[in-house]
Amino acid sequence: SQLAEENLWALSVHEGESVTVNCSYKTSITALQWYRQKSGEGPAQLILIRSNEREKRNGRLRATLDTSSQSSSLSITATRCEDTAVYFCAPGIDYAQGLTFGLGTRVSVFP
Amino acid sequence: DTTVKQNPRYKLARVGKPVNLICSQTMNHDTMYWYQKKPNQAPKLLLFYYDKILNREADTFEKFQSSRPNNSFCSLYIGSAGLEYSAMYLCASSGQGRQDTQYFGPGTRLLVL
Repeated sequence: SQLAEENLWALSVHEGESVTVNCSYKTSITALQWYRQKSGEGPAQLILIRSNEREKRNGRLRATLDTSSQSSSLSITATRCEDTAVYFCAPGIDYAQGLTFGLGTRVSVFP
Repeated sequence: DTTVKQNPRYKLARVGKPVNLICSQTMNHDTMYWYQKKPNQAPKLLLFYYDKILNREADTFEKFQSSRPNNSFCSLYIGSAGLEYSAMYLCASSGQGRQDTQYFGPGTRLLVL
């Protein structure tokens, strides 16, 4: 069974709109990461949010973490076509042992 | 330079034949990872090297081998490829004091026929 899962397979938005990807996980964690994988590339880290943080921002990205409901969200504002990618969450305790990814949500941004 | 390189980018293999995939990084990272990604599935950790110590996941222990001749290079070896090995193979690395952040290569797409 998956340790983590994103709640939707795919989302589509138009440029300039906002989009939110949600993730739920099944165990206690010390942190949760969000990664983005564009076509033809490997995943790239976007945000790491620790269990004692409720919100973390990185430019147009905002991640939230709710440890009581074991869920996280990643919001992207003012989307651009280049935000088109698969977004993965990766909750963890000891990332040195490797990442455990959710299935991913494909976000498509159209002009 | 935070680049992780993988060779080849695409690999066609025959069932029963060996496959060797290569990964390199020049960030002096002490840990290198290999993940397998199949369509509509999450990337799955296969194994990782911490310095010279190899750690393999229990459910893939017998299917994949790896070597790390020096800090910069790491290989993933399949002794006898089966159809189920068709997937994207992603290499990643992380460095001392920053184990939280992994840098991924572009992946090698393996097709076994």
